[in-house]
Amino acid sequence: EIVLTQSPATLSLSPGERATLSCRASQSVSSYLAWYQQKPGQAPRLLIYDASNRATGIPARFSGSGSGTDFTLTISSLEPEDFAVYYCQQRSNWPPTFGPGTKVDIK
Amino acid sequence: EVQLVESGGGLVQPGGSLRLSCAASGFTFSSYWMSWVRQAPGKGLEWVANIKQDGSEKYYVDSVKGRFTISRDNAKNSLYLQMNSLRAEDTAVYYCARDGKWLVPSYWGQGTLVTVSS
Repeated sequence: EIVLTQSPATLSLSPGERATLSCRASQSVSSYLAWYQQKPGQAPRLLIYDASNRATGIPARFSGSGSGTDFTLTISSLEPEDFAVYYCQQRSNWPPTFGPGTKVDIK
Repeated sequence: EVQLVESGGGLVQPGGSLRLSCAASGFTFSSYWMSWVRQAPGKGLEWVANIKQDGSEKYYVDSVKGRFTISRDNAKNSLYLQMNSLRAEDTAVYYCARDGKWLVPSYWGQGTLVTVSS
């Protein structure tokens, strides 16, 4: 099973700042990595799939990059609604696995 | 608008059974792989199972294999998860999801809580 590690566990930032979230895989997942946002009491929402493709309706301030084992989700300028938990997920190998999440909270 | 509405969750004793349902609308249900993903209280996400458009292929995570069965009824636009021999560690919110690309859930329901406790 591929293990995903996310860092940092918590990121404290102010609105307008840039957020950089990291996801590292225990072995190569090629570009088969997705990012999700989850707010308290809500279901996850797909942001990015296949490392760098924004899902339908996702604002351009969200971008993804990376391949192999190292991936990054960047939020160029944080909006108040962006404070949430972010999960990465690989679909390269069965079973698909998720990282433990990075919480982005307000500084 | 894509809508996925789960139901069937609740409190069940260890060793018991429960059947979850997911009613789909707003899209051609029979055209998509569908998945169940769960989240234990305060924890991260865990894939449970998924099923092909016509039900001919099903995949399960090892922790539920032999205990859970995923199925679908395309005539009723519905997805199901039959859960038997439930354990305390199965306690979670269970989400129904529609896959966009293979194993990329692009739409999620609001979830239904399953609590396994005596």
